[in-house]
Amino acid sequence: SQTIHQWPATLVQPVGSPLSLECTVEGTSNPNLYWYRQAAGRGLQLLFYSVGIGQISSEVPQNLSASRPQDRQFILSSKKLLLSDSGFYLCAWRTTGGGEQYFGPGTRLTVT
Amino acid sequence: AQSVTQPDIHITVSEGASLELRCNYSYGATPYLFWYVQSPGQGLQLLLKYFSGDTLVQGIKGFEAEFKRSQSSFNLRKPSVHWSDAAEYFCAVGATGSARQLTFGSGTQLTVLP
Repeated sequence: SQTIHQWPATLVQPVGSPLSLECTVEGTSNPNLYWYRQAAGRGLQLLFYSVGIGQISSEVPQNLSASRPQDRQFILSSKKLLLSDSGFYLCAWRTTGGGEQYFGPGTRLTVT
Repeated sequence: AQSVTQPDIHITVSEGASLELRCNYSYGATPYLFWYVQSPGQGLQLLLKYFSGDTLVQGIKGFEAEFKRSQSSFNLRKPSVHWSDAAEYFCAVGATGSARQLTFGSGTQLTVLP
């Protein structure tokens, strides 16, 4: 069966510090991968998605970036965090050509 | 562009009562439709999905949803709510053939009274 992992689960970072969140998927090959952000009391905002290694599509211009160095690894990064980057970050995957997405447990990021 | 509207931000029901959560979508063709549930501090769990065929779909945890093309709706129902159903519920619409895929509604928070 497929499993999706995210780490860390919780992160508190000062403004201006770098960020690296990691997501890995097990039990499937060549998945489509997604990064979402969920602000407090709000819905999900798609940040990036990837259909293959090194292929990243950005949905929202901001100080975040994403990379996919391996087939089942998806990384969300920032060089300098802003207060507005605080939120709950969710990674998701789906099979190529599939319908539903499956979500990881999320990372709670607080920028202070 | 596709969009999803969940008109109820917060719903409160008593345990054992029936539940209906509303979802309206906007999409130019036959959409993929989904309902997800999120407990506090957790990721989203897929409850059910509609791609084609029978317009009444059954999901996990006793939930069902009905696709009504004429009303552009995909409402979620449960005949008898349990306290453990308290969570936030998200409706989502997907574009066929698109890797970008899902657009989510803003969610409905469900409170269950004992």
